[in-house]
Amino acid sequence: QVQLEESGPGLMQPSETLSLTCTVSGFSLTSNGVGWVRQPLGKGLVWMGTIWAGGSTNYNSAVQSRLSISRDTSKSQVFLKMNSLQPEDTGTYYCASHRFDYWGQGVMVTVSS
Amino acid sequence: DIQMTQSPSFLSASVGDRVTINCKASQNINKYLNWYQQKLGEAPKLLIYNTNNLQTGIPSRFSGSGSGTDYTLTISSLQPEDVATYFCLQHSSRPTFGGGTKLELK
Repeated sequence: QVQLEESGPGLMQPSETLSLTCTVSGFSLTSNGVGWVRQPLGKGLVWMGTIWAGGSTNYNSAVQSRLSISRDTSKSQVFLKMNSLQPEDTGTYYCASHRFDYWGQGVMVTVSS
Repeated sequence: DIQMTQSPSFLSASVGDRVTINCKASQNINKYLNWYQQKLGEAPKLLIYNTNNLQTGIPSRFSGSGSGTDYTLTISSLQPEDVATYFCLQHSSRPTFGGGTKLELK
């Protein structure tokens, strides 16, 4: 059974760096990619980036300069790091399989001073 | 990036109604279009993948169609549990989502 679970801090200060972890089970990161999607409260979904099975990455141009996605295949974990946080980065962050057929439950991140 | 224009943004319908939701892409997405249902406080749930393929476990009252730039999600007979927000996603290139359709019961 494929499962994804996000974890990370719920409250961040402006200008800090966000670090989130997506732990997967039921599939291999060397055979499947993982993407990250953000959803501001009460708003729509925005793809942020994907790390592919081979380890390459693609990013949304709107956040590309601040975003890094990496992985540890031995731990079945994918990492999101985004620097220079602003209040508009507040929202729920989801990880999903690269076909977007399986999703984690999401982690809420609030950026506020 | 490909823009996805979803309509309507809000829809009110009665139990048993046939409901349609549309997504229009800014360019041909070659049927790489998924539909999701999202209930309050939950993650998106895949309903339809690649335009017209029903995800396992999804009721057959949900169906999808389309080609080129225009795609439609149809609920053949609305049920109370279908109250949710629906999103389309194109994955022909860098993924982009439609703005969402909030479906409520009349």
